[in-house]
Amino acid sequence: AQSVSQHNHHVILSEAASLELGCNYSYGGSVNLFWYVQYPGQHLQLLLKYFSGDPLVKGIKGFEAEFIKSKFSFNLRKPSVQWSDTAEYFCAVNAYGGATNKLIFGTGTLLAVQP
Amino acid sequence: SAVISQKPSRDICQRGTSLTIQCQVDSQVTMMFWYRQQPGQSLTLIATANQGSEATYESGFVIDKFPISRPNLTFSTLTVSNMSPEDSSIYLCSVARTNYGYTFGSGTRLTVV
Repeated sequence: AQSVSQHNHHVILSEAASLELGCNYSYGGSVNLFWYVQYPGQHLQLLLKYFSGDPLVKGIKGFEAEFIKSKFSFNLRKPSVQWSDTAEYFCAVNAYGGATNKLIFGTGTLLAVQP
Repeated sequence: SAVISQKPSRDICQRGTSLTIQCQVDSQVTMMFWYRQQPGQSLTLIATANQGSEATYESGFVIDKFPISRPNLTFSTLTVSNMSPEDSSIYLCSVARTNYGYTFGSGTRLTVV
């Protein structure tokens, strides 16, 4: 069965610091990969997604993620964080080709950016 | 992307009662998904709702506790039955769209007292 691991549960950064959040998945076949963000008190929003093609994916608000197939990873990056990036970030994987097309989430990383 | 309307947005319920959550999508979709987000935790898939067939439940979730209806391609309901405080969570519906990915409703925040 597919699973998703996010190693950083809680990250605290100062404004302008660089961010990298780890995401690894376990599934041997083809996958679609996603990062979602949940701001305090709000619902999930899609940050970026990877389906195929260029493994470096750019999303909204200056975020990007790199798919490294050999490492089963899809790490999220941002060169300079802002206080408004304080939120919880979820990596999610869909192992396509299966019967249910379901999306499995990692445990989430809570990011706190200090002004 | 699809627009999903989910209601109620929140509710406070007595233990032992049931609550039905509705999810309406603005276009036809084959699969709809129901998730639970317990306080401070990630999203856990409860079941996949297919139109015209029984829902497919994930390990740890059963139809008697979480019955699902899917009467057409734009609507689904999830019922949380015989509630206990442990059922206090946010419940979300989601749909998958080709080449876009997954869209989520705004969620139903359930508190069981």
